[in-house]
Amino acid sequence: GEDVEQSLFLSVREGDSSVINCTYTDSSSTYLYWYKQEPGAGLQLLTYIFSNMDMKQDQRLTVLLNKKDKHLSLRIADTQTGDSAIYFCAERVLMTTDSWGKFQFGAGTQVVVTP
Amino acid sequence: GAVVSQHPSWVICKSGTSVKIECRSLDFQATTMFWYRQFPKQSLMLMATSNEGSKATYEQGVEKDKFLINHASLTLSTLTVTSAHPEDSSFYICSAREPPIAAGGLQYFGPGTRLTVT
Repeated sequence: GEDVEQSLFLSVREGDSSVINCTYTDSSSTYLYWYKQEPGAGLQLLTYIFSNMDMKQDQRLTVLLNKKDKHLSLRIADTQTGDSAIYFCAERVLMTTDSWGKFQFGAGTQVVVTP
Repeated sequence: GAVVSQHPSWVICKSGTSVKIECRSLDFQATTMFWYRQFPKQSLMLMATSNEGSKATYEQGVEKDKFLINHASLTLSTLTVTSAHPEDSSFYICSAREPPIAAGGLQYFGPGTRLTVT
């Protein structure tokens, strides 16, 4: 099965907060990431959190990490129509063959912001 | 953040021909680059890891003779799809890793190349 799981769809009204959830399975994850992909474009790094942190806030974005439950969430405050996109959760997993590690991506959550 | 570019952004080629996609790190030297493939409404699938000056490491199930990767310099990696077929049509995304000493070694993604094989 998937190593990183996300819900596939989220609908939110403009001005409300969005919360996108992600679960992962590999306990050797060092960093966890959130990327944004707009239609026809590549991935834009939004934020990341080191695995020994519980929370990270960056302007409208808040990342929460529950390492015990292997649960990561991204909260977007005051969601705008420009936030409509697909959001990917990713973990960097340590590899014996590569000291930096390898990315495992979730399937992505499509966020639709309605006026 | 760092910038990674890809060229072309969109290419249409005939079945049986080869097409080359370039990936460049514009403001940092990337010793390692990655090539991903993305099918519609799906996640990214890692195809191969490319290290400057050495052979690429391919993921299981990816044909190395079909997807030729060259990482000749610290800022350029190329992916050549040889003898392309319609099933190779996809969105190809490259990624470059910053050196670990800078910002924890973040990985930045290019804008992607849409390949359509007719």
